[in-house]
Amino acid sequence: AQRVTQPEKLLSVFKGAPVELKCNYSYSGSPELFWYVQYSRQRLQLLLRHISRESIKGFTADLNKGETSFHLKKPFAQEEDSAMYYCARIRMDSSYKLIFGSGTRLLVRP
Amino acid sequence: DSGVTQTPKHLITATGQRVTLRCSPRSGDLSVYWYQQSLDQGLQFLIQYYNGEERAKGNILERFSAQQFPDLHSELNLSSLELGDSALYFCASSAEPGQFYEKLFFGSGTQLSVL
Repeated sequence: AQRVTQPEKLLSVFKGAPVELKCNYSYSGSPELFWYVQYSRQRLQLLLRHISRESIKGFTADLNKGETSFHLKKPFAQEEDSAMYYCARIRMDSSYKLIFGSGTRLLVRP
Repeated sequence: DSGVTQTPKHLITATGQRVTLRCSPRSGDLSVYWYQQSLDQGLQFLIQYYNGEERAKGNILERFSAQQFPDLHSELNLSSLELGDSALYFCASSAEPGQFYEKLFFGSGTQLSVL
């Protein structure tokens, strides 16, 4: 099955510390992967997608096919980064759908 | 504001009852998705519609059904409700289903509480 795994339910760091939110996917050739973020009392929204190779709000994510990972990183965490982060992938079987991981809550302490 | 509207915001009902959740996609978006978010299961894909037709199905129970109307709004019907159905139900829309650069726009969700 084409899955996305986020092993950490909660990640707590201090402001200014580096952040790495882990995401692993089951192998399927060339996956299309995304990170979505949900800030408190706000809607879920797209943060970045691997195809764009972009950096949003200081976050980057590199696709590592050897490790089947798409970890989200930021060198210096800010308090406003506290949110729920979801890794997602396009799943292709008999149909097409966007599948999410179970999410990681990032808590940045002052 | 993502442009996706969901009503109602909160719904409290009893076991065995039936409810209908409504979603209006962004203007111009043909594709609507329904997701269920619970504390233990995370964000689970339920079903997708594109221009009125079912496009993809996920972990949707037989007690649940959905449809997309000609004006593109969608309804998710939940029947014979159980306590475990309590969750936040999200609707999302996109303009480009099936493309690798797909971007979903989410509504603010309907919080369903089954007592």
